[in-house]
Amino acid sequence: EVQLVESGGGLVQPGRSLKLSCVASGFTFSNYGMNWIRQAPGKGLEWVAYISSGSSYIYYAETVKGRFTISRDNAKNTLYLQMTSLRSEDTALYYCARQGVFRYFDYWGQGVMVTVSS
Amino acid sequence: DVVLTQTPPTLSATIGQSVSISCRSSQSLLHSNGNTYLNWLLQRPGQPPQLLIYLVSRLESGVPNRFSGSGSGTDFTLKISGVEAEDLGVYYCVQSTHAPWTFGGGTKLELK
Repeated sequence: EVQLVESGGGLVQPGRSLKLSCVASGFTFSNYGMNWIRQAPGKGLEWVAYISSGSSYIYYAETVKGRFTISRDNAKNTLYLQMTSLRSEDTALYYCARQGVFRYFDYWGQGVMVTVSS
Repeated sequence: DVVLTQTPPTLSATIGQSVSISCRSSQSLLHSNGNTYLNWLLQRPGQPPQLLIYLVSRLESGVPNRFSGSGSGTDFTLKISGVEAEDLGVYYCVQSTHAPWTFGGGTKLELK
């Protein structure tokens, strides 16, 4: 069974940093691209970042470019999102999602909440 | 960036009714490799989204065949032929043809 489990969220002050993790199981992690997608409270979905299976291709949304870094450790089956210079508008539930062969998001974690507030 | 405009934002339906949701893109989603990376997701209350349809019209495994997708280029439609109670939630279209990937604003399906 495919499972994605996020962790690392919490309450953080504006301007500070936080690192999210997503541990994958039930599939060969190194074969799939992965994404971070977020959802602000009561709002829609916003794609944040993508990393290809071998980390060769990395894309970011403009709203986080230069502040967030996506990475992965295929030996540990883990996806990361390093978030710096956090702003109140980064407050959201952050999901990791697997990217299937045809670029669809076929499996999602339950999400981890990040709250940026003083 | 590609902008996806979903309409309507809210849809009220009775059980058994057929409904359609539109997703219009600001540019063609046809990739140079011939694929159109337009997908549909459903997010039930309190749950992560789930994949319904990919590549415009291909039904994800396990998804009931009352769901269907159609369209090409910039105009796409999700149809539910006979709404059931478990179909309630927010529907999103999402494109992954052009980076950055982008989502539509969502369509909330509720019971009339």
